[in-house]
Amino acid sequence: KQEVTQIPAALSVPEGENLVLNCSFTDSAIYNLQWFRQDPGKGLTSLLLIQSSQREQTSGRLNASLDKSSGRSTLYIAASQPGDSATYLCAVCYEKLTFGTGTRLTIIP
Amino acid sequence: DAEITQSPRHKITETGRQVTLACHQTWNHNNMFWYRQDLGHGLRLIHYSYGVQDTNKGEVSDGYSVSRSNTEDLPLTLESAASSQTSVYFCASQQGIGGTINNEQFFGPGTRLTVL
Repeated sequence: KQEVTQIPAALSVPEGENLVLNCSFTDSAIYNLQWFRQDPGKGLTSLLLIQSSQREQTSGRLNASLDKSSGRSTLYIAASQPGDSATYLCAVCYEKLTFGTGTRLTIIP
Repeated sequence: DAEITQSPRHKITETGRQVTLACHQTWNHNNMFWYRQDLGHGLRLIHYSYGVQDTNKGEVSDGYSVSRSNTEDLPLTLESAASSQTSVYFCASQQGIGGTINNEQFFGPGTRLTVL
């Protein structure tokens, strides 16, 4: 059974810093990995999707990497802003999406 | 703009009542999904559909049912609501043909359901 872990569960960093969020998964047989953000009381917003054949994807200040063989993905956020404060979820897709429990990120102004 | 909506956004009901949560998408996506989100469990798949008249059980399907009579809608029914079904419910859609699932999923805003 696929298990997805995100450590740490919570992270606080000063505004302007670059940061990395981690995601690990136990079964490397995946189609893709997707990163989402979730604001309090809201739905999930898709940030990036990396296909299993890709190593990374970039969107603006966000860069996601995927190392399928080691079961790891990272989400790099450059020049963090208070508006980046949210919970970030990763999900791996094989027959279905399996989600991690997220990292709650707080950017301190 | 295409979107995915859910209604109601908040619902309080009593144990034993039947409840239906609506999900409507204008993306014209074939694939639609229902998840519940609970503290300590993350998001878990309840039911999903790859097209009209197609429905499938997810990992936590007991006590829930869905039907797909058109492309746009996938209502979720709780047959007899239980306190354990108090949760936040999310609907999602995804472009897919023939059951392909390797595209992005787009989520609705969620429905917060309380069963007393």
